[in-house]
Amino acid sequence: QQQVKQSPQSLIVQKGGISIINCAYENTAFDYFPWYQQFPGKGPALLIAIRPDVSEKKEGRFTISFNKSAKQFSLHIMDSQPGDSATYFCAAMVMNDMRFGAGTRLTVKP
Amino acid sequence: DGGITQSPKYLFRKEGQNVTLSCEQNLNHDAMYWYRQDPGQGLRLIYYSQIVNDFQKGDIAEGYSVSREKKESFPLTVTSAQKNPTAFYLCASSKQTGVYGYTFGSGTRLTVV
Repeated sequence: QQQVKQSPQSLIVQKGGISIINCAYENTAFDYFPWYQQFPGKGPALLIAIRPDVSEKKEGRFTISFNKSAKQFSLHIMDSQPGDSATYFCAAMVMNDMRFGAGTRLTVKP
Repeated sequence: DGGITQSPKYLFRKEGQNVTLSCEQNLNHDAMYWYRQDPGQGLRLIYYSQIVNDFQKGDIAEGYSVSREKKESFPLTVTSAQKNPTAFYLCASSKQTGVYGYTFGSGTRLTVV
């Protein structure tokens, strides 16, 4: 049972473009929504996170948009750079239970 | 620097053997977790522990065992009962469950030969 659905599975963007990754969740009890960035052979690292009482959070080139009524949230990467090429995971958490999306492999072409 | 150390980075195991993956953290985090990562399947929870001497099964605990004798350490044993153990294993920790999110180690890639 997949509680967090992530799309697309892979994404190719030109340098300077906008990368958008979408996630949808089912459990309305989730109260913390992080995004993780993972480079090959490394563990995921927390990129940005949001709580459901906020509709948007921005940190540098990274923005989370959150739609509580639709149970959806998305990651926008502005001015995408080749160094952003990695796998991105969304997640949803409540108490000690964190559920991850299946991941999106982002490739930014120079 | 505080962090999570997983060792070894690469591990090869013969079929029928048990193998133990190490996870040590110096973040003074209370909770620790083990995840398995397979291509296209995201991260699946194997076991987690919120306090010393206590741990709970995750979604795919069959064929795995853990111990939590010290706050800093949460080793994972992959037993011969695990039918498809080849995967990338990630250890994570959090200060308070549900509050700060997770810090991950760099992972151990286990290959059965």
